[in-house]
Amino acid sequence: NAGVTQTPKFRVLKTGQSMTLLCAQDMNHEYMYWYRQDPGMGLRLIHYSVGEGTTAKGEVPDGYNVSRLKKQNFLLGLESAAPSQTSVYFCASSYGGDPPETQYFGPGTRLLVL
Amino acid sequence: GQSLEQPSEVTAVEGAIVQINCTYQTSGFYGLSWYQQHDGGAPTFLSYNALDGLEETGRFSSFLSRSDSYGYLLLQELQMKDSASYFCARRNAGNMLTFGGGTRLMVKP
Repeated sequence: NAGVTQTPKFRVLKTGQSMTLLCAQDMNHEYMYWYRQDPGMGLRLIHYSVGEGTTAKGEVPDGYNVSRLKKQNFLLGLESAAPSQTSVYFCASSYGGDPPETQYFGPGTRLLVL
Repeated sequence: GQSLEQPSEVTAVEGAIVQINCTYQTSGFYGLSWYQQHDGGAPTFLSYNALDGLEETGRFSSFLSRSDSYGYLLLQELQMKDSASYFCARRNAGNMLTFGGGTRLMVKP
């Protein structure tokens, strides 16, 4: 099992450009999440999904959109990138059952917006 | 609110014991998790406490006191490889997590 994978690993964007980050999991998990982590800080939840076809806003959703068309994939989109979106983006997934608290994280995508 | 407080940095020597504290606000609290993150790596799950008391997993233990809105992670027999950041995270409704700012642990020889 690959677990949670993220594409790309690193990307440089210019202000105003758009991009999509892809997250895939092969654990048949119901729940998937997108976080951002800024230097020296904890993770903040951007958007999440509790099942195929569903999405919901997290703590810091502005400037991002998501889609969960297939159970195993969760896409994060930036329509018009801003320097404030320079960060490391982590995708995670969880079973949603018991124990409910274990989230499995991907390796991260490092995004630099110039 | 759902914020958590933990020390930003802790230093200890190899073989010692270290305790990383975490306080949280009680509103909507379901439980407390701990995650480890090495530099450049992804967070990995360490432990979870839903009820008061101590949970032990090898060299790591985690404690929760719901009445004090307080928990801690205890690392015993410290090894150099334990140098990492440790995050407490509260479980909210719907299996969502709110993370603390992280404690950077430096283990010295």
